[in-house]
Amino acid sequence: DADVTQTPRNRITKTGKRIMLECSQTKGHDRMYWYRQDPGLGLRLIYYSFDVKDINKGEISDGYSVSRQAQAKFSLSLESAIPNQTALYFCATSGHRPAGDTQYFGPGTRLTVL
Amino acid sequence: GQQVMQIPQYQHVQEGEDFTTYCNSSTTLSNIQWYKQRPGGHPVFLIQLVKSGEVKKQKRLTFQFGEAKKNSSLHITATQTTDVGTYFCAGPLGAGGTSYGKLTFGQGTILTVHP
Repeated sequence: DADVTQTPRNRITKTGKRIMLECSQTKGHDRMYWYRQDPGLGLRLIYYSFDVKDINKGEISDGYSVSRQAQAKFSLSLESAIPNQTALYFCATSGHRPAGDTQYFGPGTRLTVL
Repeated sequence: GQQVMQIPQYQHVQEGEDFTTYCNSSTTLSNIQWYKQRPGGHPVFLIQLVKSGEVKKQKRLTFQFGEAKKNSSLHITATQTTDVGTYFCAGPLGAGGTSYGKLTFGQGTILTVHP
């Protein structure tokens, strides 16, 4: 969905490096999410934000931090990358009910930590 | 903790065969959603079920929500090669309306269709 963009699309980095993944949306949604996808584990929630002043930890937040710079922007940082953070990362947005919980995903960032 | 379990993890079918994936929640859900992720792509919303016992159809896809609102299924009739991908169920786990917007996804079922 072109309404949700992620940069970079691919990134290879080394252990210990700081990495930032960025997400922007033009859907006008208040709610934004970061997930990671690993084979056999589905999509696991890292952090979520229901508005600019609201940041919440998800299921697997250790080793990650986020910043909600504006309604349209939500960044994910890996302060000191480690190899088991190699994964596919998705940003998603959702609006308010009654459109409800439906989530719209960005194209993903494939991150490799060597 | 609260979970959404999905089976099978993999399914290989011949084109024209039917396919079903099942989703079970450890708690009652206010709604359940289904998403499809094509190979190399991102998850895309398919449908949301809200009512107990609800059945919805989209062409060859039939979605059901259990009477207890703790399980759901997606059935594809006469699969085509365009059906390949990973199918995820997802539900808003948590108390009442406090979790809405935050979804817990099943592990997904990877469907392969052999021509």
